[in-house]
Amino acid sequence: QVQLQESGPGLVKPSQTLSLTCTVSGGSISSGSYYWSWIRQPAGKGLEWIGRIYTSGSTNYNPSLKSRVTISVDTSKNQFSLKLSSVTAADTAVYYCARGDQINWAFDYWGQGTLVTVSS
Amino acid sequence: SYELTQPLSVSVALGQTARITCGGNNIGSKNVHWYQQKPGQAPVLVIYRDSKRPSGIPERFSGSNSGNTATLTISGAQAGDEADYYCQVWDSSTVVFGGGTKLTVL
Repeated sequence: QVQLQESGPGLVKPSQTLSLTCTVSGGSISSGSYYWSWIRQPAGKGLEWIGRIYTSGSTNYNPSLKSRVTISVDTSKNQFSLKLSSVTAADTAVYYCARGDQINWAFDYWGQGTLVTVSS
Repeated sequence: SYELTQPLSVSVALGQTARITCGGNNIGSKNVHWYQQKPGQAPVLVIYRDSKRPSGIPERFSGSNSGNTATLTISGAQAGDEADYYCQVWDSSTVVFGGGTKLTVL
């Protein structure tokens, strides 16, 4: 059973860079036909896709966040990461990592989510 | 950019059928996925590729997609089905989520 777990600081100061890591267990991040995504959800609001990465390193980002987002992968550690620069209070949200399936193109496994608050 | 429109809320009597819609321009030409999210929990995939159920999802969950509307149907709604539901598609190599629908089981 694949499991995903987000980790990183729960509090980030405005204008700084938010950094999160998703650790994948129960299988190799490189095996199978999958892509790995970050999705966020402000309190009381809907889901917002941030971007995805393949283990080849190829990425796609939400156009509204593209200028501030970098997603990377470390296959040796079975992890992928998110960096979001120049954060503001509007970036306060629960951040989820998720696995996408290249056959059905749906997110079949999700992490439990981690709350990141942007505040001084 | 592509947009998906969902009703903010849907109510259904216990044991009756709930239908949650997801509107989008020619959405029938896309694969639609549906997620259930209960308070404080991560979303769970309940329908993929318009009408397929992942392993472990009850048969009372079904989906359809045609024209400009996709529909998630919950037959014989149970109290445990009360949750937020999100539709999702891919458009131009980006993911689009609907705004979400809160399902209340009365």
